[in-house]
Amino acid sequence: TQLLEQSPQFLSIQEGENLTVYCNSSSVFSSLQWYRQEPGEGPVLLVTVVTGGEVKKLKRLTFQFGDARKDSSLHITAAQPGDTGLYLCAGSRTNAGKSTFGDGTTLTVKP
Amino acid sequence: EPEVTQTPSHQVTQMGQEVILRCVPISNHLYFYWYRQILGQKVEFLVSFYNNEISEKSEIFDDQFSVERPDGSNFTLKIRSTKLEDSAMYFCASSLITSGANVLTFGAGSRLTVL
Repeated sequence: TQLLEQSPQFLSIQEGENLTVYCNSSSVFSSLQWYRQEPGEGPVLLVTVVTGGEVKKLKRLTFQFGDARKDSSLHITAAQPGDTGLYLCAGSRTNAGKSTFGDGTTLTVKP
Repeated sequence: EPEVTQTPSHQVTQMGQEVILRCVPISNHLYFYWYRQILGQKVEFLVSFYNNEISEKSEIFDDQFSVERPDGSNFTLKIRSTKLEDSAMYFCASSLITSGANVLTFGAGSRLTVL
């Protein structure tokens, strides 16, 4: 069974602070995605990483894929209330295979 | 921007009834998926579908579940005899494999409530 463990499960911070969310597994993934999910909606893709050690930046968000392609991190700089939401990592072992999701990190950014 | 559309957005049914959830994937996508998310729990894989057949399914996807692509646009999930524990959000997703990555586009979901 491929498990993706996300930490922390809940995170509440003040506007302007930085934060990092981690996604760890004992399995190797061919790609890993980060999604954001709003209540009552489906997950929306933020980024996909494919190459071990890869770093991608999306404005204030920085995503890193571990060298061994077993883990990933999401770092948010100067968090804003609009960043509030559920962040999900998901990995797949083949190009078209199922994606295994982590439990998610619920982020609350207080103004 | 192309999107995956799902209907109904919310369905309430009695235990034992049949339910069909409908999805229209993105038109040029080739791979289709159903996931479910029980309230407060993680998103779980149910089934993947490619070239008009199931390519992979999870333990959750038992004989009570079936999928079909009846025409060139719709992708349906049928639950033959619903149980209380089938209450969940059901998400359809589609993908076009690019750059070696499985990038899914999800619909907004169908909330199923079994009474």
